[in-house]
Amino acid sequence: SQQGEEDPQALSIQEGENATMNCSYKTSINNLQWYRQNSGRGLVHLILIRSNEREKHSGRLRVTLDTSKKSSSLLITASRAADTASYFCATDAMIYNQGGKLIFGQGTELSVKP
Amino acid sequence: DVKVTQSSRYLVKRTGEKVFLECVQDMDHENMFWYRQDPGLGLRLIYFSYDVKMKEKGDIPEGYSVSREKKERFSLILESASTNQTSMYLCASSKSQEIYGYTFGSGTRLTVV
Repeated sequence: SQQGEEDPQALSIQEGENATMNCSYKTSINNLQWYRQNSGRGLVHLILIRSNEREKHSGRLRVTLDTSKKSSSLLITASRAADTASYFCATDAMIYNQGGKLIFGQGTELSVKP
Repeated sequence: DVKVTQSSRYLVKRTGEKVFLECVQDMDHENMFWYRQDPGLGLRLIYFSYDVKMKEKGDIPEGYSVSREKKERFSLILESASTNQTSMYLCASSKSQEIYGYTFGSGTRLTVV
């Protein structure tokens, strides 16, 4: 059962530009997280935003959460070629009450051209 | 540096074989998870465990089983491998995902021929 859906599926930008990825989900959540995956590797946790938060920053990353629209966005500012990766949102849906299983979206493939 | 280690990076097995995928974490995490990742389908949860000897089915448990005899080790077992189990398998662990999220291993790319 897919909870999160990312948009766009693929994004190609030039180095220095900003990249924005969106995530929509279906049920109420405790928190929403963003992960990054370099080609053929495991996922790396980037940032977590709780349901009572609206915006969070970490370095060049900015995450927003709109629980009324059940959506989140990840903004990467001043992108670099090294940011090329797939980005996934994951939700801790409140319907699961055993410590929180994360449900992942299908990801956005970001390509940053030098 | 904290780690989740998956025993094999690449694995090729024959149809009908019993396959063991091993995952070990050195962070004293209670929670461990197995996902499979396929193009167009994202990550899907196979099984998870919140404690030693405890296991819960995820969204796609059919054809799989798991074992957690020790806190640090969570094994995924394909009882009789089939070609539709060709996939990337990802193990993850967490102590408190609502604070720290998951830590993932590097993945095992399994091909069943």
